Amino acid sequence: EVQLVQSGAEVKKPGESLKISCKGSGYSFTSYWIGWVRQMPGKGLEWMGIIYPGDSDTRYSPSFQGQVTISADKSISTAYLQWSSLKASDTAMYYCARIAAAQDYWGQGTLVTVSS
Amino acid sequence: DIVMTQSPDSLAVSLGERATINCKSSQSVLYSSNNKNYLAWYQQKPGQPPKLLIYWASTRESGVPDRFSGSGSGTDFTLTISSLQAEDVAVYYCQQYYSTLRSTFGGGTKVEIK
Repeated sequence: EVQLVQSGAEVKKPGESLKISCKGSGYSFTSYWIGWVRQMPGKGLEWMGIIYPGDSDTRYSPSFQGQVTISADKSISTAYLQWSSLKASDTAMYYCARIAAAQDYWGQGTLVTVSS
Repeated sequence: DIVMTQSPDSLAVSLGERATINCKSSQSVLYSSNNKNYLAWYQQKPGQPPKLLIYWASTRESGVPDRFSGSGSGTDFTLTISSLQAEDVAVYYCQQYYSTLRSTFGGGTKVEIK
């Protein structure tokens, strides 16, 4: 069974760093792109970027380029999304998803709250 | 980037009636070399991640009830729920993956029971 399991909810202060994770299982992790999607409170879905764990090829939406870093460790079938300096506007639910034709399997989401 | 525009923003439909959601892309998402439309539909219920319903504009994902259907080509697409059930209350999103490395979602359509 294909599963993507994300790390737990985080509460951080502005300016702090953060790295959240997405662990894949039940399929060949290195053979599919993984995408990250942001959903701000009460809002729609925003595509952030993707990574191919097989070679770590990474692409970003222009809206998120320079704001976050996407990475992966194929040895442990895990993708990451990280911030070096969080802002209150980063408060959102973040989802990872496997990309086949479309995004066919999704993680359960990681809620990130940034508040002073 | 390709801009995806959904309409309406919300709609209320009686149980058993048809619900229709539209999605328009700012440029064609039909790839001529394989004649496939790179368009997907997702359903998101409160507190849950999105669920893939339709890909290639009209291919139903495994396990999705056949009351859900997708149609359209090029820049204009439709998701139809032929007979709305209570469990279909959700927000529905279209997504283009023509530009796979820079995909985009529509703004969402909220479906409620009238």
